[in-house]
Amino acid sequence: EAGVTQFPSHSVIEKGQTVTLRCDPISGHDNLYWYRRVMGKEIKFLLHFVKESKQDESGMPNNRFLAERTGGTYSTLKVQPAELEDSGVYFCASSEQGLKAFFGQGTRLTVV
Amino acid sequence: GNSVTQMEGPVTLSEEAFLTINCTYTATGYPSLFWYVQYPGEGLQLLLKATKADDKGSNKGFEATYRKETTSFHLEKGSVQVSDSAVYFCALGSIQGAQKLVFGQGTRLTINP
Repeated sequence: EAGVTQFPSHSVIEKGQTVTLRCDPISGHDNLYWYRRVMGKEIKFLLHFVKESKQDESGMPNNRFLAERTGGTYSTLKVQPAELEDSGVYFCASSEQGLKAFFGQGTRLTVV
Repeated sequence: GNSVTQMEGPVTLSEEAFLTINCTYTATGYPSLFWYVQYPGEGLQLLLKATKADDKGSNKGFEATYRKETTSFHLEKGSVQVSDSAVYFCALGSIQGAQKLVFGQGTRLTINP
């Protein structure tokens, strides 16, 4: 069974540019989560999809971040325009019911 | 709000040493507690979990006991191996928030042969 897949694994962009991160969850998982770890600190929740609907987006830092999950399959997280403080590792996770979430490898974003 | 505090790293040990990584939490209600591990170049993996007070989670020789009286979930292993080198994250899950996890800052563990 394929795990959670994230693209790209690394991205280096200049301040002010746009970057789109993609997450392919495990097939059949209705729940999809985005998290990020900034500057070696704690991993923080960004938002939660149930199928294509945003269940909880309380962790989204500001309106420069836009997440979508069209069709309830893969999800994208767009940062526009990117700022230096957006640098970090962005993790995606998916799950069925219950408490076990499967995480992807993460996308390391560097804004210069 | 909910929060998790973990032992700051990095932690460096010799092979076969005893490991403890401290984790304490603040939460309303009765959260579930988790330890996740990130090996070099890989994603986060669930290492073990406990869903109620006094439960002990265990996996790969690691153990952690959910202590409500001390609000702790310390990770222990009796004899570490080089392959245990990784970053370890303590986390709690809110029942209301399904699997919305609150993580600690992570502890980098390096085991030397």
